[in-house]
Amino acid sequence: DTEVTQTPKHLVMGMTNKKSLKCEQHMGHRAMYWYKQKAKKPPELMFVYSYEKLSINESVPSRFSPECPNSSLLNLHLHALQPEDSALYLCASSQDWEQGPYEQYFGPGTRLTVT
Amino acid sequence: QKEVEQNSGPLSVPEGAIASLNCTYSDRGSQSFFWYRQYSGKSPELIMFIYSNGDKEDGRFTAQLNKASQYVSLLIRDSQPSDSATYLCAVLFSGTYKYIFGTGTRLKVLA
Repeated sequence: DTEVTQTPKHLVMGMTNKKSLKCEQHMGHRAMYWYKQKAKKPPELMFVYSYEKLSINESVPSRFSPECPNSSLLNLHLHALQPEDSALYLCASSQDWEQGPYEQYFGPGTRLTVT
Repeated sequence: QKEVEQNSGPLSVPEGAIASLNCTYSDRGSQSFFWYRQYSGKSPELIMFIYSNGDKEDGRFTAQLNKASQYVSLLIRDSQPSDSATYLCAVLFSGTYKYIFGTGTRLKVLA
């Protein structure tokens, strides 16, 4: 089973709102990722968690705050977003991070619209 | 500058033909290569990965890797209209643990 789930599927939020995106995997993977994808562009890496610890932050603005409560769950907390943050937010997981090579499996994504 | 290049397309092929998608990369030390398919509005779906020079086949898909020439390709045999999608090449560059994605090639299979 190579399933990564994400909720919600769609999210519309105002610039003053606080919301969270959730991601879950039950494949026993130890690495989880957040990507952002704008229309007709490839996914851009935002964060990497390895063994529940933040390994990579690709200079993402602090209005995006990741959290990894346990090895199966990954959250992305959103606060004071801008309209240009509207995008498809993708969660992915892989068996490991540094002990590669590895394949990443993506969830269905959350379509975020900031008004 | 680590780069992955793909022709954006669209690449149009008739149903039943072979579609050939190409990807070049800048880092000669790269070790791992991945092909993803992405339908419009959906998330990327892993099709194949290849680590060694040569060909790797999985059903209608064949990945080809030539490290000396720094390219990786994906062949889709007996193309179907349902194969119409954007195909993303991802490369794991040496010395990092991050995917670098190409911009993707849009494939259209004409019925």
